[in-house]
Parts: sequence; structure tokens; C-alpha cells
Amino acid sequence: KAGVTQTPRYLIKTRGQQVTLSCSPISGHRSVSWYQQTPGQGLQFLFEYFSETQRNKGNFPGRFSGRQFSNSRSEMNVSTLELGDSALYLCASSLELGYGEQYFGPGTRLTVT
Amino acid sequence: AQRVTQPEKLLSVFKGAPVELKCNYSYSGSPELFWYVQYSRQRLQLLLRHISRESIKGFTADLNKGETSFHLKKPFAQEEDSAMYYCALTGGGTSYGKLTFGQGTILTVHP
Repeated sequence: KAGVTQTPRYLIKTRGQQVTLSCSPISGHRSVSWYQQTPGQGLQFLFEYFSETQRNKGNFPGRFSGRQFSNSRSEMNVSTLELGDSALYLCASSLELGYGEQYFGPGTRLTVT
Repeated sequence: AQRVTQPEKLLSVFKGAPVELKCNYSYSGSPELFWYVQYSRQRLQLLLRHISRESIKGFTADLNKGETSFHLKKPFAQEEDSAMYYCALTGGGTSYGKLTFGQGTILTVHP
């Protein structure tokens, strides 16, 4: 089975812009979670989607949002980018809602200038 | 609130020596604990989970609820074990799918 894929792999944006990141889960996996990884804060949970609904949310401002499509693919959006949003954004998929056994993608490296 | 602490940022051992990566957690209910590993230039992947009680690549981890610890151990380290190791937990209820990670420990196994 193909693993979790994320596009694009690298992105450079300017402060104030918005960005959309995409994630395709492993075939048959119905839950998608997003994490932000930074050197200072480490890996932090953003949100979890299942059946096209956000089921779980971390402590991030409303500028961070996401959605899931009927084929389980997911996107996350960050509006009004700030310098501090520069990070590696990881997507992870799991079979069902609430599974801690998650399969991670390679990440999207976002740089905000 | 759930929290995971990995007290060692860096850990160096020689090949063949025992290794223990420490993990302590705080959670008010009954968490599920995991170890994830990231080898150089590879993606983050699950190493083991406490409920399966498996030994993966020679690594084991025992959940000690009294000490709220989930230390990762291997009796004889190999060079290919060099990687970043993350301890993580999920809680019950609505937070069950949310993985809370520790800061990670970089393990270096010297020849």
C-alpha cells in the first residue's frame, strides 16, 4: 500500500498570505490528523478529521483550519500567515477515529518570510 | 492536561551496550502509550505501543502506572538504532486520537 502523501513538500510564503496544504491518507484509512513540528515546541497536535468532520482540536488559533473530503483526503489552511507559522506540517492517517497508531507523511516544510 | 516528558535530549552509547530512553507522563485517566521513531531522512513511524506488549527490533517498553513512566529499553544497542525517539500518549474520550508527544531523544550508537 502506498503511504501517506503530502503536497507540496516545500512552500515559501510571505507574511499575511494564506496557504493550503494537502494530505492523502493510506487507502482504507478514514481518520486524518495534522501536527505542527518546530524546533522550539516540538510536535503539536492541530486537529483530527473523520467522516468529513473535525473531531478533535489542539490549541491553535482560528487561523488554522482544515477539512476532509468524502475520499478521506484532507487539507489544512492557514490564513494571515505569521513568521511563527514557519514549521514542518505533518499529516497522519489511521484506520478509525481515535487511533493512536498513526502513519505519518513526509511533511510539508512551510517557510514564512 | 496531558503531558509527556523525555528528560534526555541526547543519549550516546556504544554498540552492544544496553540503552534506556526515559519517558514520564502525566494524565488523569488511563492513557495509551507509544514510542515513535524517526531515522535519518525517513518519516516518523510507530515503533511500539504498550497494549501490544511486543518487542520490536529488540526494543521493549513497560508501562509503570505507579511511576507514570514508559521507558524504552534494549539490551544490546546497534548502530542502526541511531535515530530520534519520541514518546507519545493518547487519552480516552474525545481526546483519544490526539497524540501528545515528548520533546524527543536523539540516540547515537557509536561503533
